Amino acid sequence: AQTVTQSQPEMSVQEAETVTLSCTYDTSESDYYLFWYKQPPSRQMILVIRQEAYKQQNATENRFSVNFQKAAKSFSLKISDSQLGDAAMYFCAFGGATNKLIFGTGTLLAVQP
Amino acid sequence: DTAVSQTPKYLVTQMGNDKSIKCEQNLGHDTMYWYKQDSKKFLKIMFSYNNKELIINETVPNRFSPKSPDKAHLNLHINSLELGDSAVYFCASSQVGEGGGLYGYTFGSGTRLTVV
Repeated sequence: AQTVTQSQPEMSVQEAETVTLSCTYDTSESDYYLFWYKQPPSRQMILVIRQEAYKQQNATENRFSVNFQKAAKSFSLKISDSQLGDAAMYFCAFGGATNKLIFGTGTLLAVQP
Repeated sequence: DTAVSQTPKYLVTQMGNDKSIKCEQNLGHDTMYWYKQDSKKFLKIMFSYNNKELIINETVPNRFSPKSPDKAHLNLHINSLELGDSAVYFCASSQVGEGGGLYGYTFGSGTRLTVV
């Protein structure tokens, strides 16, 4: 069975600085997708970034980028130039053959002004 | 236009009651899901429907019964509510792309269910 682990329950970053959130996963599948979702206090789940496992190039969306290490089964999220609006719970998720998303336990990110 | 809408947003009810949560998506997606987010924010899949057919049914008490009248709607009915059912319930939808690629889910805004 697939598992997703986020080892940082909470993180803090100064406004305009860079922060990296960690995620590791376990699977025996070779084709899969990885995602980062953001959940602000409004509780809406917002897709931040998506990575296809067969693509070696790391995905980037504006200030958000990932470091995908397939052999190490690691998928970290880097947020550059952090803004107050980035404060939220961030979830790493794995999508495999069943198209079912399996989520990690989340990292609560605080942004200090 | 809201892509995935679920109603109600908040639901407070007494133990033993029966309640329903409705979900509709206007994205044309083939697959819809129900997830439960517990008090520790952990998200766990409950059910998944593809074109009105149940394809995922996790170990959920049979007091929970999903119903999909068409591929744009997936409702969740809960019988004999218990204190432990208190949680946020999310509806989501997804579309599998060419080659089976999963583009990620679009979530509704969640329903906070409180059982007293």
